[in-house]
Amino acid sequence: DAGVIQSPRHEVTEMGQEVTLRCKPISGHDYLFWYRQTMMRGLELLIYFNNNVPIDDSGMPEDRFSAKMPNASFSTLKIQPSEPRDSAVYFCASRPGQATTGELFFGEGSRLTVL
Amino acid sequence: SQKIEQNSEALNIQEGKTATLTCNYTNYSPAYLQWYRQDPGRGPVFLLLIRENEKEKRKERLKVTFDTTLKQSLFHITASQPADSATYLCALDQGGSYIPTFGRGTSLIVHP
Repeated sequence: DAGVIQSPRHEVTEMGQEVTLRCKPISGHDYLFWYRQTMMRGLELLIYFNNNVPIDDSGMPEDRFSAKMPNASFSTLKIQPSEPRDSAVYFCASRPGQATTGELFFGEGSRLTVL
Repeated sequence: SQKIEQNSEALNIQEGKTATLTCNYTNYSPAYLQWYRQDPGRGPVFLLLIRENEKEKRKERLKVTFDTTLKQSLFHITASQPADSATYLCALDQGGSYIPTFGRGTSLIVHP
């Protein structure tokens, strides 16, 4: 299995531009999570999906952030318009519906720099 | 408010010694606690889960304890090696939903 695949690995953009981050979860996993990691705040949960349905988006910082999961094998996190304070590493993670250990499988992350 | 606290200062130890990392929490009643390892530029990787009714869990050179009275978990790596150098994150949830909240992690540096 290829694991959770995220793209792009690195993104540098200018303030005000739209940013789209992509994630392909592990096949068969029912849950998909988007986390953001910064030095100041650590790893924060933004939103998670169960069977493609958003369950909890209370961690999404503001309306500039949106996430979709049109099918079981693809999710996007969009920031529009982007701001310098959005600079962070964004991680996607997935796990099976039947969790014995609750282990999350993380992708390698997308490092976003907003100038 | 709910807090998960891990030592922000890096832990430096000599190869062969036991590393002990601490995770303290407040205003949580976690059903379980997880530990993850994160290498620079990589995503976190799951290591161990310990449930609220378990005092201790072992896996190879790793040992985790969970004290719900003290609201603390200790993570031990015995016979540490330079390859163990990484950031270690604890994560816990409330209600057994397996939707974890993470601490900020502690960096471990093992010197040869």
